[in-house]
Amino acid sequence: KNQVEQSPQSLIILEGKNCTLQCNYTVSPFSNLRWYKQDTGRGPVSLTIMTFSENTKSNGRYTATLDADTKQSSLHITASQLSDSASYICVVSAFSGGGADGLTFGKGTHLIIQP
Amino acid sequence: DTGVSQDPRHKITKRGQNVTFRCDPISEHNRLYWYRQTLGQGPEFLTYFQNEAQLEKSRLLSDRFSAERPKGSFSTLEIQRTEQGDSAMYLCASSLSGSGSDEQFFGPGTRLTVL
Repeated sequence: KNQVEQSPQSLIILEGKNCTLQCNYTVSPFSNLRWYKQDTGRGPVSLTIMTFSENTKSNGRYTATLDADTKQSSLHITASQLSDSASYICVVSAFSGGGADGLTFGKGTHLIIQP
Repeated sequence: DTGVSQDPRHKITKRGQNVTFRCDPISEHNRLYWYRQTLGQGPEFLTYFQNEAQLEKSRLLSDRFSAERPKGSFSTLEIQRTEQGDSAMYLCASSLSGSGSDEQFFGPGTRLTVL
């Protein structure tokens, strides 16, 4: 069964600090991995997308890494800001010939940035 | 057209009532998806359309749930005889098949509360 596990479940850090969120997956055959940011009461917004051949991808202060051998990904946030407070969801896509069931969602990491 | 829109953003209803939600996808997107998300969980797939055809339905989609996309543009999700367990955020997403990434763009969601 395809699964995506995220850790930690929740995290509280001080403004200006860095943090790293983890995502482990057992999705096959792997197509791509995305990190989404979801503000409270809003829909998820894509941060990064990585395919099998990509090891790292940055989007401003967000840097995602992918190790396809160990089936692990991380999302590193640098110099955190209060607006980074949100849930971060890891989503892994399998080659399914199309169709929505190719996506497996993690439960998310709830990040709180304190001033 | 700046993104996926959903209406209403919030709905409070009494148990046993019917509710209908609307989703307007990004105009050139041919795929439209419905998800349900409860607190602390990632989105769960309900159903998806390619143009006007409903191609997949999750086992989560009971007989009380029905979705339509009559002209291949906007979609509606109806829940009949609502139950307290239906309380959740209902997310709509759209994508353009054949675009390479098949990335889904999410709407802001409709928060349903069943009293």
